[in-house]
Amino acid sequence: EVQLVESGGGLVQPGGSLRLSCAASGFIFSTYEMNWVRQAPGKGLEWISYIGTSTKTIYYADSVKGRFTISRDNAKNSLYLQMNSLRAEDTAVYYCASVSRTYFGASDHWGQGTLVTVSS
Amino acid sequence: EIVLTQSPGTLSLSPGERATLSCWASQSVGSSYLAWYQQKPGQAPRLLIYGASNRATGIPDRFSGSGSGTDFTFTISRLEPEDFAVYYCQQYGSSPLTFGGGTKVEIK
Repeated sequence: EVQLVESGGGLVQPGGSLRLSCAASGFIFSTYEMNWVRQAPGKGLEWISYIGTSTKTIYYADSVKGRFTISRDNAKNSLYLQMNSLRAEDTAVYYCASVSRTYFGASDHWGQGTLVTVSS
Repeated sequence: EIVLTQSPGTLSLSPGERATLSCWASQSVGSSYLAWYQQKPGQAPRLLIYGASNRATGIPDRFSGSGSGTDFTFTISRLEPEDFAVYYCQQYGSSPLTFGGGTKVEIK
């Protein structure tokens, strides 16, 4: 069974940092591209970052570019999101999601999400 | 950036009725790269439709998608009680990936 489990969320002050992790199991993680998607309380979904199967191809949304860094460790079946210079507007549930080749690049597997709250 | 606009924002219907949701793109989206997701409170999104019109594995045939270019439609032929949720369209053909603002299908 495919599983994605996020961790690392919590309460952080504005300007602070946090590192999210996404542990993958049930599939060959190294062969899957991955996304981070977030959802602010009561709001819609916002894609924030993509990483290819290696680290050669990485994209960021403008809202996080220069502050967030996506990475992966294929040996540990893990995806990461380093978040620096956090702002109140970064408060959201953060999901990791795999990119499906079967479904032309849509995301068929998502984690349960981890809540990040940026507040003083 | 491709902006996706969903309409209506809220749809109030009764079980057994037909739901029709729209998603308009600010630029042409390759048909292969338009998806629809369902999200219930406290849950992660669930992929229903990919490639504009293809159901993901295990998705009931009451869910369907159509459209191309900039105009896409998602239909639930007969609403079941478990279908009341928020639905999002997403384009994943060009970066940045973008989502529509969502349509809430609520019980009338």
